[in-house]
Amino acid sequence: SQQGEEDPQALSIQEGENATMNCSYKTSINNLQWYRQNSGRGLVHLILIRSNEREKHSGRLRVTLDTSKKSSSLLITASRAADTASYFCATNAGGTSYGKLTFGQGTILTVHP
Amino acid sequence: DTAVSQTPKYLVTQMGNDKSIKCEQNLGHDTMYWYKQDSKKFLKIMFSYNNKELIINETVPNRFSPKSPDKAHLNLHINSLELGDSAVYFCASSQDASRLAKNIQYFGAGTRLSVL
Repeated sequence: SQQGEEDPQALSIQEGENATMNCSYKTSINNLQWYRQNSGRGLVHLILIRSNEREKHSGRLRVTLDTSKKSSSLLITASRAADTASYFCATNAGGTSYGKLTFGQGTILTVHP
Repeated sequence: DTAVSQTPKYLVTQMGNDKSIKCEQNLGHDTMYWYKQDSKKFLKIMFSYNNKELIINETVPNRFSPKSPDKAHLNLHINSLELGDSAVYFCASSQDASRLAKNIQYFGAGTRLSVL
């Protein structure tokens, strides 16, 4: 089974609205990262949150982490059409896993102008 | 300048052929990765090298063989291609996988492999 699972699988909103995506995982982690993938492109790192952090901000992005529930959420505020992309969470278990990231299947976000 | 570049961008080939995908990073990173993304967009790690040494080798058919001539390059050779190998293959790099805080990964644009 997958480590990270995003919810919802697809999200469609209007420009200016907020978008919230959730991620659940199964095993202990060292950190959790969010990536964006535009259609036909590679993944781009957005934000990293460590297991001892509960919330992190970067511009219009807000990430929360609840290790007791093994879940994270990504909030994009005041969305723009350019935010249309797939968003993936990825977990790193630390230890001997080195840099191994385990990705979820992603949330497809569509922002309508 | 492209940070992580992989070639070719598209690869269409017949079953049974052997093909290679090349990857180069100019970020000075120590660690490089190969991922496979299937048609449902599920991204799974295949291999990782740190300073030319293999550190991650997931359950991948031995028809897939990575090679790292130096820490800036990680190539992927695939023998006897099968229909199920059709996917998008991504190369990525990170500063140093052993230092987890530095494990932000930078991805190439992907190679779309179609096996006919």
